[in-house]
Amino acid sequence: AQSVTQLDSQVPVFEEAPVELRCNYSSSVSVYLFWYVQYPNQGLQLLLKYLSGSTLVKGINGFEAEFNKSQTSFHLRKPSVHISDTAEYFCAVTTRAGAQKLVFGQGTRLTINP
Amino acid sequence: ETGVTQSPTHLIKTRGQQVTLRCSSQSGHNTVSWYQQALGQGPQFIFQYYREEENGRGNFPPRFSGLQFPNYSSELNVNALELDDSALYLCASSGGGGAAKTSTDTQYFGPGTRLTVL
Repeated sequence: AQSVTQLDSQVPVFEEAPVELRCNYSSSVSVYLFWYVQYPNQGLQLLLKYLSGSTLVKGINGFEAEFNKSQTSFHLRKPSVHISDTAEYFCAVTTRAGAQKLVFGQGTRLTINP
Repeated sequence: ETGVTQSPTHLIKTRGQQVTLRCSSQSGHNTVSWYQQALGQGPQFIFQYYREEENGRGNFPPRFSGLQFPNYSSELNVNALELDDSALYLCASSGGGGAAKTSTDTQYFGPGTRLTVL
């Protein structure tokens, strides 16, 4: 079975500051990795995903994430945040075999202060 | 291109009742997945349907059941509602055309149905 741990439940940062949201996963088989964002009263939107190849993945809205197999991590970063980035962020994994059944972490609430 | 839609937006039921939630897939998608998101938690996988057949199930009891129709829309049915069933229920569609179901597909989520059980 797979599991995902998001190490911070809340992250407050100032506008235009850099941010890192941490994600560690556990799996006995190879996985694909995803970051989703959830704005208030909305569904989830895919930010980026790691399938294979380069371990640095670039996504939408200026976000990027780095896959580290030895540390089983997939941390999300943005060099300069905006007020509009205030949202809940979810890391997720799925096994490479078969259909996609996402296993999510508990989420990190990112709050941007002016 | 129409996105994933869900109905109703909100629903209030009492313990023991039954509920049906509906989801319309994004155009061209043949796979629908359902997730339960309790307050303050990440979504949990309930089950997935691919071309009208169940294609995997999470750790949910049989009183959670589903259907997928020929137009790839879907229903989630929950019988004998319990207080702990109160949650946001999310539907996600993926896959396209004749492509086989695959774990690399992007899942596109609807806005969810907020179910409250009293």
